[in-house]
Amino acid sequence: AQKITQTQPGMFVQEKEAVTLDCTYDTSDPSYGLFWYKQPSSGEMIFLIYQGSYDQQNATEGRYSLNFQKARKSANLVISASQLGDSAMYFCAMREGIRGNTPLVFGKGTRLSVIA
Amino acid sequence: GAGVSQTPSNKVTEKGKYVELRCDPISGHTALYWYRQSLGQGPEFLIYFQGTGAADDSGLPNDRFFAVRPEGSVSTLKIQRTERGDSAVYLCASSLTGMGNTEAFFGQGTRLTVV
Repeated sequence: AQKITQTQPGMFVQEKEAVTLDCTYDTSDPSYGLFWYKQPSSGEMIFLIYQGSYDQQNATEGRYSLNFQKARKSANLVISASQLGDSAMYFCAMREGIRGNTPLVFGKGTRLSVIA
Repeated sequence: GAGVSQTPSNKVTEKGKYVELRCDPISGHTALYWYRQSLGQGPEFLIYFQGTGAADDSGLPNDRFFAVRPEGSVSTLKIQRTERGDSAVYLCASSLTGMGNTEAFFGQGTRLTVV
C-alpha cells in the first residue's frame, strides 16, 4: 500500500498568492515524522519543513507552513506569497518510528509552477 | 565537506557492465540512505545504513544491487550486469541520526545511463 499520496501532479499559482500542496499518509505507527522537500530543475533535494506526530502545533518555517490534520492523516504544505523561484517539484515524505532505523519514504511529488 | 558529495555526477555505461557509485556523507552523520529517482517520479528507497551496517535493504530491487559502508562514512552502491532499466538518478542522503525527527540532507545525485 502506498504510504504517501500526493494527488496533484501539477499545480499553478499566481505570483504573490498562497498555494496548498496536498499530502496524505498511511501508517499504523503512532510515532512518525512528516517532511516536505523541494526539488528545483537543478535536481537537488532541499529540506523545507518537518512535523512530528506528537507536535501540538503546526510547523512553520518562513513562508512555509504545514497544515497537519492527524485524524485525517493529512500534512498539506502551504506556501504563502509565492515567488517565481518556488517553481519546482515538491515531495512529501514520512519516516515511521521515533527511534529511527526506518527510511524516509517519498510520495510521487507535485510540480508547482508560479506564474508572473 | 560541507554537504553530501556524490561521484561521478554522470555515468554512461554499456548494458551488462559493472558500475560503482560513491557517496561521501556529511561528516559525523551516522545514517546514510540510497534512493533511485526516475524521471517524473519521487525518490524510491533502496537501502539505509546506520553506521557500518545496513539497517534496511528492503528497497534493493534484486541481487544485482549491493551497497557497502565499511567504515561508517563513505558508501558505495554497486550494480552488476547493468540493464537499461537501471537508468535513473541515484540519490544519496545522510542525517545526523536515524531518529524520526532528523532531516536528511541530499547529494546532487549520480545520473546513470545504461546504453
